This record gives sequence, C-alpha cells and structure tokens, in this order.
Amino acid sequence: QQQVRQSPQSLTVWEGETAILNCSYEDSTFNYFPWYQQFPGEGPALLISISSVSDKKEDGRFTIFFNKREKKLSLHITDSQPGDSATYFCAASVQQGTGSKLSFGKGAKLTVSP
Amino acid sequence: DAGVTQTPRHEVAEKGQTIILKCEPVSGHNDLFWYRQTKIQGLELLSYFRSKSLMEDGGAFKDRFKAEMLNSSFSTLKIQPTEPKDSAVYLCASSPGGAGTLYFGAGTRLSVL
Repeated sequence: QQQVRQSPQSLTVWEGETAILNCSYEDSTFNYFPWYQQFPGEGPALLISISSVSDKKEDGRFTIFFNKREKKLSLHITDSQPGDSATYFCAASVQQGTGSKLSFGKGAKLTVSP
Repeated sequence: DAGVTQTPRHEVAEKGQTIILKCEPVSGHNDLFWYRQTKIQGLELLSYFRSKSLMEDGGAFKDRFKAEMLNSSFSTLKIQPTEPKDSAVYLCASSPGGAGTLYFGAGTRLSVL
C-alpha cells in the first residue's frame, strides 16, 4: 500500500518557468513532510521540509504549500534553472521524540530545458 | 565532516552468488537505514536500525536480505542468493534521530546476471 503518492511522474518545463510537483498521503497522523532532491549518480539530499502546523514553507525559489484537510502538498520551483533537473521525492513521517521512519513517494523526474 | 560512505559503488554478480554491500554512516548518528531504489518501485525500506538495534526488517525482503550493524560506524547488507530481480541501486542513509534529516550515501548499483 503506497502511503505517499506523487504526480506527475515526470515533468518538463522551460528555463524561467514555475515547476509544480504534487504529493498526497494517506495517513492522517503524518506531521512532517520533507522533499528530497536526487541527481543522477548521487543519493537523495534534503531540499526543504514542512511540518503540519504550517501551510507554507519558503526557501529561495522553492516553496511547499500544504493542505492538511485534503492531505495534499505541492512543491513549487519558481524561475526553474537547468541545474534543477533532478528527481524529487516527497516523503512523510510521524515525528516522535525517539525517531521516525519516512515513507517516500516514487519520485518525480523534473527536466528544465534551456 | 564525512558523509555516508558506501562501497562498492558498482557490483556485478552472477545469479545465486552472495554479495555484501558496506556502509559507514555519519559519525554520531543513531539511526541507519537501507533502501532499495528502482524506477518502478521508487525507494523501498529494507532495514532500519536505531542505536544498532534492528527496528524494522522489511517484510518482503526478509528471506534473502540480511542487514547487520557490526558497530555504530559500520553496517553491511548481505543478499544471499542473488537473483536478477535484485538488480537495483542500494542506498544507505543515516540520521541523528528524532526530527533529524536523512543523509544518504551515493549508493551501490547492483547488476545480477
């Protein structure tokens, strides 16, 4: 059973456009949502994250929008650059004091054409 | 600070062989994870250790996959015997725990012929 779903699976945008990657989840107890970015030949790396007490988190050109009621979130990449071409993973977990285990979506491949 | 180190980067095995993948987590991290990555399934959790204790041993992978933490700074993933469907990238990640970020290694690409 896939706990975290992503759409689209792949997306191509032109340089300078805004790329929007979507994510939805099943478990209403999830309260922490990181996005990881992966370049070919490398492991994923944390890009930006949000907790369920917020509805928006911004870091430079990257913004997460979160809708708790609908159990959906999205990652917006404004002014997309060719260097943003990568695979993006949405993840979710229940944060606990002693540790947490992330559930990952299957990833979305973003291509930014110059 | 050194990140997560995985060796080897590439491994080619014949069907039925035993292979061992290695991982050195970030020093001081309490949690260690092994994932399998494929285009179709994405990231699948194989094993999860907290302070060297096995917390989760991915159900579908129990029979031929065995992860161990020999000490707090070294972990292995043994696949025995290998099958062609095991061809994938195997990722190791560590975390300080709690709300900590996962730090991934670059992975081992396994090809089983």
